[in-house]
Amino acid sequence: AQSVTQLDSHVSVSEGTPVLLRCNYSSSYSPSLFWYVQHPNKGLQLLLKYTSAATLVKGINGFEAEFKKSETSFHLTKPSAHMSDAAEYFCVVRPGFQKLVFGTGTRLLVSP
Amino acid sequence: NAGVTQTPKFQVLKTGQSMTLQCAQDMNHEYMSWYRQDPGMGLRLIHYSVGAGITDQGEVPNGYNVSRSTTEDFPLRLLSAAPSQTSVYFCASRGQGGEKLFFGSGTQLSVL
Repeated sequence: AQSVTQLDSHVSVSEGTPVLLRCNYSSSYSPSLFWYVQHPNKGLQLLLKYTSAATLVKGINGFEAEFKKSETSFHLTKPSAHMSDAAEYFCVVRPGFQKLVFGTGTRLLVSP
Repeated sequence: NAGVTQTPKFQVLKTGQSMTLQCAQDMNHEYMSWYRQDPGMGLRLIHYSVGAGITDQGEVPNGYNVSRSTTEDFPLRLLSAAPSQTSVYFCASRGQGGEKLFFGSGTQLSVL
C-alpha cells in the first residue's frame, strides 16, 4: 500500500532562513505526490504536485519540492521563510485516482 | 464562485444524537469527499462520491452515512454520535480528471 511519512512533527525556523520539510513515500510504482498547506482555522490548499513529469516541482508562494526516486523522498523547500508561511503542511500520495493518503503533518513555526 | 461551503462551522452534540454536516460546491465538480482531521493523524477519508447517485467508503466510514442526490451537495450524517467522532471535518471536491482538491473551511464537532 502506498503511504507517506513526514519525518518531523514540528519545524522551527527564523524569518529569512531556508525551510526544509521532509517527506518519504512508500510505493511499488511511480506515485503521484502532493504538498498541501493548512493555515490556522482554514481548509487545506494545494501547494504543488508531482505527477511523473519534471522531478523538481515549483509551487505557489516560492515553495518547491524535488522527487528523488533513489531516496523515495519528496521534501518541500523554500529559500527564505516568511512569517506568513507559519502553517501545517501535509505530504500526500495518491494510491488510486479516487483516494488520497495524507501524512500526519508538519507544523512550521516561523520566528521574527 | 463561493467554492466549497460547509455548515455549520462549530457543533456540540451529546452522545447518541444525530446530525447532518452540510457541504455544497458551485464548481460543477463530479468528485466530492469527506475527511476527518485528528491530531497527529493527518486527514482520513470517510466517504467519497464520483457523481450524483454514486458513493463509496473511504478509510474510516463506520458511524457515518452519505448520499449524493445532486452534483452540488454531499451531506455527511452522523447517525448516533459518539465521543470518538469528536474531530474537525473537511469536505473537498475536484473536477473530472482534475488533481487539485478544493477544501471547505471545516466543521469542528465535539461530542460530549
